Amino acid sequence: AQSVTQPDIHITVSEGASLELRCNYSYGATPYLFWYVQSPGQGLQLLLKYFSGDTLVQGIKGFEAEFKRSQSSFNLRKPSVHWSDAAEYFCAVGAQGTGANNLFFGTGTRLTVIP
Amino acid sequence: NAGVTQTPKFRVLKTGQSMTLLCAQDMNHEYMYWYRQDPGMGLRLIHYSVGEGTTAKGEVPDGYNVSRLKKQNFLLGLESAAPSQTSVYFCASRQGATGNTIYFGEGSWLTVV
Repeated sequence: AQSVTQPDIHITVSEGASLELRCNYSYGATPYLFWYVQSPGQGLQLLLKYFSGDTLVQGIKGFEAEFKRSQSSFNLRKPSVHWSDAAEYFCAVGAQGTGANNLFFGTGTRLTVIP
Repeated sequence: NAGVTQTPKFRVLKTGQSMTLLCAQDMNHEYMYWYRQDPGMGLRLIHYSVGEGTTAKGEVPDGYNVSRLKKQNFLLGLESAAPSQTSVYFCASRQGATGNTIYFGEGSWLTVV
């Protein structure tokens, strides 16, 4: 069965600094990987996703993530954080196939941005 | 440009009361989901549906029932609310295969006192 670990519960960065949010997954085959962002009081919005091919994936709002099979990781990065990036970020892993119940979320990382 | 709409957005219930959360999607998606979100727990799947007239249990189904009488609607019911069901509930929908994006509603905040 799949599982997702986001080891950092809360991260604080200064505006303009770089950001890396960690995500480790457990899955026997090549997974589908996702990053979602949740602003306060809102639902989750997809930032980016990985299925196959280039292991560096570009997303919205200047985010990117890199799939590293050897490390079972899919870390999210942004070179320069903006105050509006303060939110909660969820990594998710999905199994290939068409089953409906095959997407698992991590417990989230809350990002605080200080001026 | 509605997407996934949940009603109500906020509700306070007394223990033992019943209520229904309504989810509506206008994207003609086959799959619909109900999740609950609790601090430190992430999102946990309650029930899901792969099409009109079908439902299935997720990770934490106890105390909830669901129905999908129409493709665009997915209802979540609490027959006898308990304080442990205080949570934020999210509805989501997806078109078919795993790789497609899941779209979320804005959430329903439920407090059971």
